[in-house]
Amino acid sequence: EPEVTQTPSHQVTQMGQEVILRCVPISNHLYFYWYRQILGQKVEFLVSFYNNEISEKSEIFDDQFSVERPDGSNFTLKIRSTKLEDSAMYFCASSEQEGQGNYGYTFGSGTRLTVV
Amino acid sequence: RKEVEQDPGPFNVPEGATVAFNCTYSNSASQSFFWYRQDCRKEPKLLMSVYSSGNEDGRFTAQLNRASQYISLLIRDSKLSDSATYLCVVKGSNYQLIWGAGTKLIIKP
Repeated sequence: EPEVTQTPSHQVTQMGQEVILRCVPISNHLYFYWYRQILGQKVEFLVSFYNNEISEKSEIFDDQFSVERPDGSNFTLKIRSTKLEDSAMYFCASSEQEGQGNYGYTFGSGTRLTVV
Repeated sequence: RKEVEQDPGPFNVPEGATVAFNCTYSNSASQSFFWYRQDCRKEPKLLMSVYSSGNEDGRFTAQLNRASQYISLLIRDSKLSDSATYLCVVKGSNYQLIWGAGTKLIIKP
């Protein structure tokens, strides 16, 4: 079964450093997403990406964050100048279609980011 | 009112029992609804979509009540492996997934 791959599985970084979280979506999917989940809290939408540009972003996704699809396969989330409160699980997801239908999203296994 | 609201539980249920979860959502314009399952420190996995007429997948039955903005999930003949957190998810008007905080289910032998 096709899967979304995320690396690394766990990243520890010092406050103020920049991190890049990597994702390889399912190859025929066109829509890509980043979500995050702070430990013990609900999953939160960060950003959606389609046709090489951001299509939606939440208020969490401020200037500290950026996304990129540097080649045909990778989809990255960059967090600049990390803060303690950025510690969370970051999930990448992809979907084949978009819209109000019941189109499922496939999630990667996540990157646990710990800012110390 | 929270966008998607769920009883956090935990629900402690003996193996073989039937358990039901409920969820309410605030945006009446929402069109797509899902139940996801999340094991501890793992990614959410789609359990089932929820259709207006209700739908069943093996031991799992999902219902949608648009008038009351209410979604339910019923698990029959629960197994130890059903222990997880069940997340109610609604697709908003801008296609973002809006997540409930989840209901924790613990199945006891």
